[in-house]
Amino acid sequence: QKEVEQNSGPLSVPEGAIASLNCTYSDRGSQSFFWYRQYSGKSPELIMFIYSNGDKEDGRFTAQLNKASQYVSLLIRDSQPSDSATYLCAGYGGSQGNLIFGKGTKLSVKP
Amino acid sequence: DAGVIQSPRHEVTEMGQEVTLRCKPISGHDYLFWYRQTMMRGLELLIYFNNNVPIDDSGMPEDRFSAKMPNASFSTLKIQPSEPRDSAVYFCASSPTGGGGYTFGSGTRLTVV
Repeated sequence: QKEVEQNSGPLSVPEGAIASLNCTYSDRGSQSFFWYRQYSGKSPELIMFIYSNGDKEDGRFTAQLNKASQYVSLLIRDSQPSDSATYLCAGYGGSQGNLIFGKGTKLSVKP
Repeated sequence: DAGVIQSPRHEVTEMGQEVTLRCKPISGHDYLFWYRQTMMRGLELLIYFNNNVPIDDSGMPEDRFSAKMPNASFSTLKIQPSEPRDSAVYFCASSPTGGGGYTFGSGTRLTVV
């Protein structure tokens, strides 16, 4: 059973701090990973993807991938209250086109 | 592009009734996915299609659930008969060939009373 595991949280950080969200996956064949943000009552929205080992930066967001450790993370710098949401990690498993989602980590940024 | 379009946004129905959820994927996307989301189980993949052909329906909970994709621009998920435990948010998503992540529709919140 291919799985993506996330700490459900909630993760609470003060405004301006760095929020660190983590994810592990079981399928060594997974090649690409995605982070989605889901506000309460809304649909998941893609914010970052990463294919290669190392870091990928996009504004205040940095995705990190370590394939040897089967570990993916998302760092949010200068966290804002508007970043409060559930963050879903997903990786491709099985046949082409089939993303496996974790259950998500709820992030709360306190003003 | 208008994105993935789902209807209805909300559906309240009585147990035993038939429910039909609808989805229009993004034009040019070859893959279409139906997910169900609950607090307890998170996002669960029900079924997905590639070029209108069902590829994996192992997530469909039971025979009460069925899905069709008669053409590249339309899909339905039907529950007959509906039960209270089917209450959830149902998302449709689409993606192009080659990966790159999914685009989700706004979802249908289903309540079965």
